[in-house]
Amino acid sequence: EDKVVQSPLSLVVHEGDTVTLNCSYEVTNFRSLLWYKQEKKAPTFLFMLTSSGIEKKSGRLSSILDKKELFSILNITATQTGDSAIYLCAFPNTGNQFYFGTGTSLTVIP
Amino acid sequence: DTAVSQTPKYLVTQMGNDKSIKCEQNLGHDTMYWYKQDSKKFLKIMFSYNNKELIINETVPNRFSPKSPDKAHLNLHINSLELGDSAVYFCASSLWTSGKETQYFGPGTRLLVL
Repeated sequence: EDKVVQSPLSLVVHEGDTVTLNCSYEVTNFRSLLWYKQEKKAPTFLFMLTSSGIEKKSGRLSSILDKKELFSILNITATQTGDSAIYLCAFPNTGNQFYFGTGTSLTVIP
Repeated sequence: DTAVSQTPKYLVTQMGNDKSIKCEQNLGHDTMYWYKQDSKKFLKIMFSYNNKELIINETVPNRFSPKSPDKAHLNLHINSLELGDSAVYFCASSLWTSGKETQYFGPGTRLLVL
């Protein structure tokens, strides 16, 4: 059975800190891994990773995938209060379905 | 223009009622989805549907039924609503055949069953 585990479940940091969020998976027929940010409303897309070792970057956020060890990390540097959200990783399988992890709730305090 | 839209945004109803939530996407995507997000924020797939196949998560009660009048719409109909159905329901869509299966989410419908 496909499985996606995120850690930590929740995290509280101060502005300016760097955080690392983890997503480990056991997914048959791996296609890609997606990271989403969910604030008060719907999840919004951050990154899609398909190959090991290639870092994706967007401003202060970056993500990398390790297909050998079956995990991905999402790094946020110089955190701001606007980074407070739930961060979700997800995997599409060949059955046209996406499996989401439990999410990491990040709170950035001033 | 809104890519994935849902109506209504909020739905408050009594137990036992039947209700529908509508979803429309204008992205030309070939696959649409319904998710349920509970109070613990866990996002769980309910259905995925493209013009060929409906895939139902086996844990979804048969009181829930998706209806797709065309490729741009996937509505969710719920019969005999129960207290435990209270949650936020998200519609999403993706272009599965592209090899870049990024999902785009609607704004969500917050359902409260009294």
